[in-house]
This record gives sequence, C-alpha cells and structure tokens, in this order.
Amino acid sequence: GAGVSQTPSNKVTEKGKYVELRCDPISGHTALYWYRQSLGQGPEFLIYFQGTGAADDSGLPNDRFFAVRPEGSVSTLKIQRTERGDSAVYLCASSLRTSGGTKNTDTQYFGPGTRLTVL
Amino acid sequence: GDSVTQMEGPVTLSEEAFLTINCTYTATGYPSLFWYVQYPGEGLQLLLKATKADDKGSNKGFEATYRKETTSFHLEKGSVQVSDSAVYFCALIGYQLIWGAGTKLIIKP
Repeated sequence: GAGVSQTPSNKVTEKGKYVELRCDPISGHTALYWYRQSLGQGPEFLIYFQGTGAADDSGLPNDRFFAVRPEGSVSTLKIQRTERGDSAVYLCASSLRTSGGTKNTDTQYFGPGTRLTVL
Repeated sequence: GDSVTQMEGPVTLSEEAFLTINCTYTATGYPSLFWYVQYPGEGLQLLLKATKADDKGSNKGFEATYRKETTSFHLEKGSVQVSDSAVYFCALIGYQLIWGAGTKLIIKP
C-alpha cells in the first residue's frame, strides 16, 4: 500500500515481557517518528529518525524503550520489561524530509497505530 | 517550551450548525500549524495546514487561518455534517509535532 503501515495492530502482553512494534513508512520518506497516545489525549512524541540515525530521542520515557531503523526504512520500537503504564496506542508517522533547521513544514503521515495492552 | 491549547470537548452540535474549535499556541519562532482529524476506529489524518502568518488552510469545507498576532489557529466549518463527528487535534511543528489534547466533536442529526 501507499500509506504508513504498522504491525501488529493489537498486542496484548504480560507485565515484564519484551515487545517489538514495527513501522513501515511511506517509500522514500526519510523522516520517521514514533508517538504514544493514551486515551483521551493527544499524541506524545517519543523519537524521531532522519535516515538511519535517531535525530531526537528526548521523548523516550526511560531506558526500557529503544528504537532502531537500521536501513533507513522500516523501524522497530522495542520495549523491555513492560509495565501496565506502557499500555497505549503507539503511532508511527513518516515525512518526506525535514528542513533540518528551525522551520519544518513537512506533513507527517500517520499509520493506524498499534494498540499495546500490558496486563 | 512550545505548547498547544485547544478547547475542551466534547462539542455537540446539530447538523448544519456552524463550528468553531479554538486553538492557541505558544512557540518560539514561526512554526507551521496543523489540524489533524481522527475518525472513530481510524488513524490520524491531516485535515489542513498553514505554514506562515495569515495563511489559510482549507479542506473538506474546514478552514483555519494562521493568526500570529493572537497566536491562534481556530478551526471553522460553516455547516457540519454527521460524518464530521471525530476527534480534532491542533498541532504545531517547529522541530517535532507538539499536540493539543484533542476536541471530540459530536454532530447530531
């Protein structure tokens, strides 16, 4: 398809387990973003990739969260030792590029999200 | 830091009513401003955007004007439909997207 895809659409896991969430961006988009959205709230920024490198990971809540994008396309968000508070919808977005400066006008296109439930 | 404040919901209107959802922002510099919409059970979709002061974004009958003097980007539609029922998010981007909390819109027939 032409849009951003995310798998799985739903993930139920037990507290303490490890999970991986995958994002496949729009072909040719060099910028990739991960967000987390809790019920009734706006998305919360987690991490941003420009190409293969994490340009800004300031939104990752702690060191249990890690993300990679080894070939500059697909990205995986990894959560270790999951906690009930990690339950949320994890959103991925991609954009064609960023300006790299103080002005960014590029539209971010979102995937459908992965709903993570930690029991 | 940068922030976005939008009116709390839910906002309940009758079909064909006039809609305004307020959005104000705080930012250094001149960010681009966006409205995204999230229909029930679906992902976030860009509704419209404006990249500089006095720009007007428009799509599907919705409009919003980038007002630098009042730091606002209010969303308007002249005549809403039941199908417009969704959650609307205002956002700005300077380096990363900063989001408002979302406003749930309910349109009754």
